Amino acid sequence: QVQLQESGPGLLKPSQTLSLTCTVSGGSISGGGYYWSWFRQHSGKGPEWIGYIFASEDTYNPSLKSRLTISLDMSKNQFSLNLNYVTAADTAVYFCARGQYRGHYFDIWGPGTLVTVSS
Amino acid sequence: DVQMTQSPSSLSASVGDRVTITCRASQSVSIFLNWYQQKPGTAPKLLIFSASSLETGVPSRFSGSGSGTDFALTISSLRPEDFATYFCQQTYSIPPTFGQGTRVDIE
Repeated sequence: QVQLQESGPGLLKPSQTLSLTCTVSGGSISGGGYYWSWFRQHSGKGPEWIGYIFASEDTYNPSLKSRLTISLDMSKNQFSLNLNYVTAADTAVYFCARGQYRGHYFDIWGPGTLVTVSS
Repeated sequence: DVQMTQSPSSLSASVGDRVTITCRASQSVSIFLNWYQQKPGTAPKLLIFSASSLETGVPSRFSGSGSGTDFALTISSLRPEDFATYFCQQTYSIPPTFGQGTRVDIE
């Protein structure tokens, strides 16, 4: 059974870089057919798609694209998010998720990690 | 971006009630419409994909319908564990977008 788990710092200062890692267990990240994805959710709002990586090609939300990098580390069965120049508006719960290429839906999610940006 | 509008934003219901939540897209999304359930402090859980396909392990009291711009999620007989917030999501175009959510409370 595939499981995902986010890890990374919970507190950042403005202008720092947010780096999160999602560790995949119970299955190989190198197997085809999946979008390895990041979402975030601001308090009281619906989730927001950040971006995904599929077959080593990345696709990003245009609203974040200039600050964002998503990458795969197949040797560690992990994928990562780097978001530069964070501000208070980046404070949110961040989730990693697996997307199904054939059906365009996200079927497995990590539990989420709260990231707070504050001076 | 495709805007997704859910209604109602919240509702109160009793165990055993039939509940329907609607979702409207600002442009056609074909059947690329998914429904998720979320409880406080947890991740979204996939219930329905491709507008009407039930995710494995999800009870059959959940059903989805619609295509194009208008969709619905129906819970045929509400159970205590169904009190949660429900989100629709379109994956027809980039970026995938969610509705604002419908909170289902105990009446």
